[in-house]
Amino acid sequence: DAGVTQSPTHLIKTRGQHVTLRCSPISGHKSVSWYQQVLGQGPQFIFQYYEKEERGRGNFPDRFSARQFPNYSSELNVNALLLGDSALYLCASGEAGGPINEQYFGPGTRLTVT
Amino acid sequence: GNSVTQMEGPVTLSEEAFLTINCTYTATGYPSLFWYVQYPGEGLQLLLKATKADDKGSNKGFEATYRKETTSFHLEKGSVQVSDSAVYFCALSDLAWGSNYQLIWGAGTKLIIKP
Repeated sequence: DAGVTQSPTHLIKTRGQHVTLRCSPISGHKSVSWYQQVLGQGPQFIFQYYEKEERGRGNFPDRFSARQFPNYSSELNVNALLLGDSALYLCASGEAGGPINEQYFGPGTRLTVT
Repeated sequence: GNSVTQMEGPVTLSEEAFLTINCTYTATGYPSLFWYVQYPGEGLQLLLKATKADDKGSNKGFEATYRKETTSFHLEKGSVQVSDSAVYFCALSDLAWGSNYQLIWGAGTKLIIKP
């Protein structure tokens, strides 16, 4: 089975622009979470979607938004990019329900803002 | 609030040495605990997990025991190899938050194994 896939792999944008990152979960997974990983730090939670509804939101500004589609894939949108948005953006998918909250991560999208 | 604290790196060891990477946590509910590994140039991979107190997670020779009394989940391996060189992240997921899928992460510990 295919793992979590993300596109694009790398992206270079300039300040003020908008970016859309995409994620396809593992087949059968209904949950998608987004994380931001700045170099040398642990991931920071941005959003969680389950069954197309937002289940959680981290401490990120309103410039960050996301959605989940009927096929459970997801997009992360970031408006008015800042230099500080440069990071690796990780998508993770998980199975519905269950007490073991295991998440499977994609390879990430490396965003560079210049 | 919920948090995870890991020992700072880098940790440098010789091949076949014993490894311990400390991880402690604070949580308001009943967390599940995880160790993830990030090899150079690769994405995060789940290494092991434990869902309740006294559970021991194990994988690839690595072990960690969920200690509720000391709020710890230290990662250990008896004999490390050069191929274990990576960044290791401790993380928790707290059911009491009402969300099953959010992970709270430590800052990561870089492990360097010298031949």
